Amino acid sequence: DIVLTQSPALAVSLGQRATISCRASQSVSISRYNLMHWYQQKPGQQPKLLIYRASNLASGIPARFSGSGSGTDFTLTINPVQADDIATYYCQQSRESPPTFGGGTKLELK
Amino acid sequence: EVQLVESGGGLVKPGSSLKLSCVASGFTFSSYGMHWIRQAPKKGLEWIALIYYDSSNKYYADSVKGRFTISRDNSKNTLYLEMNSLRSEDTAMYYCAKNGQLLFDYWGQGVMVTVSS
Repeated sequence: DIVLTQSPALAVSLGQRATISCRASQSVSISRYNLMHWYQQKPGQQPKLLIYRASNLASGIPARFSGSGSGTDFTLTINPVQADDIATYYCQQSRESPPTFGGGTKLELK
Repeated sequence: EVQLVESGGGLVKPGSSLKLSCVASGFTFSSYGMHWIRQAPKKGLEWIALIYYDSSNKYYADSVKGRFTISRDNSKNTLYLEMNSLRSEDTAMYYCAKNGQLLFDYWGQGVMVTVSS
């Protein structure tokens, strides 16, 4: 299985930039497709798709969210961070079955 | 608006069985694969099963293979997860999710399953 590694937590100030990283144990890219996706989960809620195929914003997601990366290294950026963004963020790969998730990065206020 | 509503969870003893349901609306259910994903308390997300739109293929995580069965009834817009031989490590929130090429574009609110004696 492809293992995805995320830092457990990130502390950020409101209005600043947050950069959340995800590293895969092997490449999750095929040709021009980067098969890494990002989800946001607020406490007590279900996860919500934020970014698909590394850099595409899901429907209804604000433009302060963006994604980048290829191969094994991917980044989710939130700029500027708002209070509503305090949540846990998960990366997920669909390059191989089974689909796997990173352990999640909890975004906290500094 | 896409809606996925799970039900059927509860507190059960180890070794027992439980069947979860997920009723879908707001999209053509019969055209999409569907997944079950779970999250143990204070833990991360674990994909556990996928069923194709026409039930022609089903895939399972190793952790549940042989014990859990995914199925669907397209006439009822309903996805199921039959869970047998439940263990304490199956304790989790169970989510159904709509498939978007092995990504999960819509999630239900989840249903809690607790396995404890």
